[in-house]
Amino acid sequence: AQRVTQPEKLLSVFKGAPVELKCNYSYSGSPELFWYVQYSRQRLQLLLRHISRESIKGFTADLNKGETSFHLKKPFAQEEDSAMYYCALLLLRGSTLGRLYFGRGTQLTVWP
Amino acid sequence: EPEVTQTPSHQVTQMGQEVILRCVPISNHLYFYWYRQILGQKVEFLVSFYNNEISEKSEIFDDQFSVERPDGSNFTLKIRSTKLEDSAMYFCASRGGLSRGSSSYEQYFGPGTRLTVT
Repeated sequence: AQRVTQPEKLLSVFKGAPVELKCNYSYSGSPELFWYVQYSRQRLQLLLRHISRESIKGFTADLNKGETSFHLKKPFAQEEDSAMYYCALLLLRGSTLGRLYFGRGTQLTVWP
Repeated sequence: EPEVTQTPSHQVTQMGQEVILRCVPISNHLYFYWYRQILGQKVEFLVSFYNNEISEKSEIFDDQFSVERPDGSNFTLKIRSTKLEDSAMYFCASRGGLSRGSSSYEQYFGPGTRLTVT
């Protein structure tokens, strides 16, 4: 069965410090992973997807199949990065629609 | 930028009552989803919908639940007889068609409807 683990429920850093939000997964198929962000009172928004290998708002995430990880990193955190971050695994299971399987989320707080 | 919208933002209902949660997906999207998040828990998949049919549903999506696309723009989730444990935030999501090299599996989420069953 699939699993997405975000070990930290809460993470606090000071502005300018590096931040890493951990995500580990377990999936028998070929994984497609995403990071979604939810700012206070706003909707879930896609932040990153591993297939595009892009950097958004200074965040990057590399899929490490050996370690089954997809950690989200930013070298210098900003106060506006404070939000809930969800790691999500796309499950296809023969259906072309795909469904997202979410981790429990990590609440990031960046202190001034 | 087009967005998924949901109404109402908050719905309070009594146990045993029927509720309909409404969503307007992004206009050219073809695939639709409902997820829910019980307070303090994970976001969980409920159902996916394409071409006026359910494509996949989770074990949560029992006979009390149904979905419909009544008029080509709205996408609704109905709970026939609500239970206390149905209290949650319900998110609608949509995505466009598959295309090579595009963000084909990116799902766009609505702001959610908070359902409170008393």
